[in-house]
Amino acid sequence: DAKTTQPTSMDCAEGRAANLPCNHSTISGNEYVYWYRQIHSQGPQYIIHGLKNNETNEMASLIITEDRKSSTLILPHATLRDTAVYYCIARDDKIIFGKGTRLHILP
Amino acid sequence: DTAVSQTPKYLVTQMGNDKSIKCEQNLGHDTMYWYKQDSKKFLKIMFSYNNKELIINETVPNRFSPKSPDKAHLNLHINSLELGDSAVYFCASSQRDRGSYEQYFGPGTRLTVT
Repeated sequence: DAKTTQPTSMDCAEGRAANLPCNHSTISGNEYVYWYRQIHSQGPQYIIHGLKNNETNEMASLIITEDRKSSTLILPHATLRDTAVYYCIARDDKIIFGKGTRLHILP
Repeated sequence: DTAVSQTPKYLVTQMGNDKSIKCEQNLGHDTMYWYKQDSKKFLKIMFSYNNKELIINETVPNRFSPKSPDKAHLNLHINSLELGDSAVYFCASSQRDRGSYEQYFGPGTRLTVT
């Protein structure tokens, strides 16, 4: 199973794009990259996932490097409600949560 | 129209007691999970059931026993509660046969053992 490395915390100004990096240099070919977030006192929320190609949905975009050793989650227009802990996960059978990145959206 | 629901939301009990937490999902998913989030905020998987069969059983004390009466329900029974069991317990569900593990989580049950 691939281990992921994320910065402990990040700040982003409201209205700007939040770019959250994740390193997963030991990822194997059949492991997807997942992103979840946990807003204070709530259950984790699925955001997006991908295998090789970049992905976009109504919440975010996921950019995966060609060698798949790293990825970036992009929240295009961050709002105060996006303040949360963001988890990057690379697994093929079960979801293992690491420490995540605490994202602070600044007004 | 809640997707994954848990009861109770809060549970305060004394050491040595036996308690249960219930989880229900109305998404038609075939797989359900229990996670524990401790005071340090680490979220760890405990169990997973696929079509009522246990498929993931992490290193969890035997005092914890999951029960899945049907695909839509996964309950967690805890015997002889200990102080260290105090945590937030999250239930989740997913549809495994889609080939991905997009999970939907419930709101959590905050268990406090005194």
